[in-house]
Amino acid sequence: DAGVIQSPRHEVTEMGQEVTLRCKPISGHDYLFWYRQTMMRGLELLIYFNNNVPIDDSGMPEDRFSAKMPNASFSTLKIQPSEPRDSAVYFCASQRDANTDTQYFGPGTRLTVL
Amino acid sequence: QKEVEQNSGPLSVPEGAIASLNCTYSDRGSQSFFWYRQYSGKSPELIMSIYSNGDKEDGRFTAQLNKASQYVSLLIRDSQPSDSATYLCAVTTSGSARQLTFGSGTQLTVLP
Repeated sequence: DAGVIQSPRHEVTEMGQEVTLRCKPISGHDYLFWYRQTMMRGLELLIYFNNNVPIDDSGMPEDRFSAKMPNASFSTLKIQPSEPRDSAVYFCASQRDANTDTQYFGPGTRLTVL
Repeated sequence: QKEVEQNSGPLSVPEGAIASLNCTYSDRGSQSFFWYRQYSGKSPELIMSIYSNGDKEDGRFTAQLNKASQYVSLLIRDSQPSDSATYLCAVTTSGSARQLTFGSGTQLTVLP
């Protein structure tokens, strides 16, 4: 299996621009998680989906952030408009089902907002 | 107050020594506990999970859990330079078996 795939791997944008991060979970995995990692705040859960349905988005910092999962093999995290404080590494992770605990992380997208 | 606390380090140990990493958590309802390893510039990777009080061993790694003290630890025996990484403690939140709260990580360096 190819593992969790994220694109782009690096994104540099200017403040105010829209940013879309993409994730393809491992095939057959029911759960998908979006995390953000910064030096100041560490690794934080933003939102997670079960069978394409958002379960908890309490970690989403504000309305500028939105996430979708239109099907089992694709999810997006959108930031509009982006701000410099959004600069971070964004990870997507997937988990097979409720009977397993292992979350498999993708390689991450390093976002820099100038 | 952070929900999951770790000593940020850096922690340095000589090759072959035992590295001891510690973690405390605040949510008494937490049921599952994990240690992730993260190499610089890479993504986190699960190395140990523990659910019951006591010790759990897997190769050179031993996880220890004490729910009464709200304490989790990871011991790495016969440390190798390849163990040099940041180790993240993660705990499930009460009310959700899926949501993980991560500590800030302990940076470990194993000196050859």
